[in-house]
Amino acid sequence: DAKTTQPPSMDCAEGRAANLPCNHSTISGNEYVYWYRQIHSQGPQYIIHGLKNNETNEMASLIITEDRKSSTLILPHATLRDTAVYYCIVRHNTGTASKLTFGTGTRLQVTL
Amino acid sequence: GAVVSQHPSRVICKSGTSVKIECRSLDFQATTMFWYRQFPKQSLMLMATSNEGSKATYEQGVEKDKFLINHASLTLSTLTVTSAHPEDSSFYICSARESRGAYPYNEQFFGPGTRLTVL
Repeated sequence: DAKTTQPPSMDCAEGRAANLPCNHSTISGNEYVYWYRQIHSQGPQYIIHGLKNNETNEMASLIITEDRKSSTLILPHATLRDTAVYYCIVRHNTGTASKLTFGTGTRLQVTL
Repeated sequence: GAVVSQHPSRVICKSGTSVKIECRSLDFQATTMFWYRQFPKQSLMLMATSNEGSKATYEQGVEKDKFLINHASLTLSTLTVTSAHPEDSSFYICSARESRGAYPYNEQFFGPGTRLTVL
């Protein structure tokens, strides 16, 4: 699975949009981009995933560049409860060998 | 989403004892389960992958005789840390996947984690 690069930390004011970038320049054509987050001392929580089109759900939006070498996770109105480590992962979406491999992630701190 | 539970959530044991951690998929059948370990301020590290009814596949550097994994049913996997020592103190997280094929049947769902402290 392709590696990803994320900034180690970011701050965001409560109520503002949080934009978390991720570089995955070696992504292959059949690899998906996944985002998970981990709130302190809990298991990872699925946020969103996509292949090449932009995606939106109740939690966030995922913007993938046309060349698929980078993406941005957008939390439209960050709250204090969004403070967590956010992981961007790329992986194949089929096959029993497919697994999620976590990088170092971005520690998002939402402040008042 | 699907629910994965772990038991216990927290365990403290003496050095040299063995500890068993259970991982259950509550509303789906997990043909594949994964065990991760996370040290403080570090990312999750995959330890092993297990398919129901088969032996687990361990990642490089993980001692299979120390971390025994059993995936005997489609809803239960166990991780036994044998002869635990203080350096085994960590946050252990399991993940389960239905693996029937394409999305959403092949998504990974995570348990809440088990914090192991070895004295």
